[in-house]
Amino acid sequence: DSGVTQTPKHLITATGQRVTLRCSPRSGDLSVYWYQQSLDQGLQFLIQYYNGEERAKGNILERFSAQQFPDLHSELNLSSLELGDSALYFCASSGQGAWTEAFFGQGTRLTVV
Amino acid sequence: GENVEQHPSTLSVQEGDSAVIKCTYSDSASNYFPWYKQELGKRPQLIIDIRSNVGEKKDQRIAVTLNKTAKHFSLHITETQPEDSAVYFCAAPSNTGNQFYFGTGTSLTVIP
Repeated sequence: DSGVTQTPKHLITATGQRVTLRCSPRSGDLSVYWYQQSLDQGLQFLIQYYNGEERAKGNILERFSAQQFPDLHSELNLSSLELGDSALYFCASSGQGAWTEAFFGQGTRLTVV
Repeated sequence: GENVEQHPSTLSVQEGDSAVIKCTYSDSASNYFPWYKQELGKRPQLIIDIRSNVGEKKDQRIAVTLNKTAKHFSLHITETQPEDSAVYFCAAPSNTGNQFYFGTGTSLTVIP
């Protein structure tokens, strides 16, 4: 167990809908990262938050947004869903300071039908 | 941002043989290089990492080597076992050290 909790584990929804994925980082970790992993694909960095503020942005679509709350949990909102958004979405967290290990949650598998 | 290239994309070895996966990075300021193992349907898990103040690090059957001049680092798995079969990702941080860029992954199959 990495200490990073993601909910839900599985999500099936229709095209055009909106979903919210939730992540609770390890206790004490201030950084939260979101990654998208499509079938047989690598880990695509979406966005990072540090202590409530957006720190870095990757290949995140405009239809997607995220935030980190005062209690440090984070939510990734995906709207106007398309079939191509079906993927495994991972959240990871790391501690303070640069160059520290990132711990991954078990992921949320999103299926858009 | 950092550009991480990983080779090969797939690798098959006989049980007991060695496996080597190589990654290159672009940002010379990067100082921390983790390797993650991802089994099918599971989360990536750190298996070994190396910081730029050393050239090699070993942990039982796995080792990582780093060549900062050439900007490449490699994962070495010796005496491979079927349970080593997984996808392996290398990563390098951004110049701020606060985000990781992952390689495209290597699917390793160990044939019994």
